[in-house]
Amino acid sequence: EIVLTQSPVTLSLSPGERATLSCRASQSVSNFLGWFQQKPGQAPRLLIYDASSRAPGIPARFSGSGSGTDFTLTISSLEPEDFAVYYCQQRSNWVTFGQGTRLEIK
Amino acid sequence: EVQLVESGGGLVQPGGSLRLSCAASGFTFSSDWMHWVRQAPGAGLVWVSRINGYGTITGYADSVKGRFTISRDNSKNTLYLQMNSLRGDDTAVYYCVKAAHMDVWGTGTTVTVSS
Repeated sequence: EIVLTQSPVTLSLSPGERATLSCRASQSVSNFLGWFQQKPGQAPRLLIYDASSRAPGIPARFSGSGSGTDFTLTISSLEPEDFAVYYCQQRSNWVTFGQGTRLEIK
Repeated sequence: EVQLVESGGGLVQPGGSLRLSCAASGFTFSSDWMHWVRQAPGAGLVWVSRINGYGTITGYADSVKGRFTISRDNSKNTLYLQMNSLRGDDTAVYYCVKAAHMDVWGTGTTVTVSS
C-alpha cells in the first residue's frame, strides 16, 4: 500500500497569506495525485487532479505541483473560505489518502 | 448538473448487513469508474472500493475484502455497496464518488454499527 504523509498536520495562517501544503508518497505515484478540500459537515471537493490540473470551477489561487513522491498544494492568497482540511490522494496503485492538513485561521 | 445521492445507511447491530445505494444523474453513468469512500467520526478519508464502468472490474480495501461487495446497475444509473458482517469500526459516513480522479462526491450516508 502506498502511504501518503502530509505536512504540516496543522497550519495556522491569516487571510491574505500564502499557504504551502506538502504530501509525500512512500513510493512513486507518477503524477496520479489529487488534492481535496473538506469543510465541516460537507463532502470533500476536488481541487487538483493529476498533480497540477485545476478542477473546473476552482479558483486560480489554488495550484498544485510535483511528481514522483513529492507534491505541493499552494494557495497564493488565503480567502476566509479557504480555511478547511485538505487531503492528498493517489490513484497510481489502488487508492489511498493522506491523513489531512488542517488549515486554520491565525 | 452532475449529482450523486446516497441512501441506505442506518443503525445496524454488529454482524448485521446493509446495502447502500447511490443514484447518479447528469452524466453518462456507464462510462465512469465509481468508488465508495468512508469517513469515521472525526477521522480522515478512507477508500473502500471501486468498480469500472462495465461492472467487470472491482477492487477493495483490505479492511473490507470478503465482507463488502460493490456492484452497479447501469440501466438504473445506480451504484451499490452490500456490506455484510459489519463491525464497530465500519461506523462512518459513506460517500459515493464519481470517476478515476474523484471529481464529484455525494453528500454521504451514515452507517452506525452498534448494539
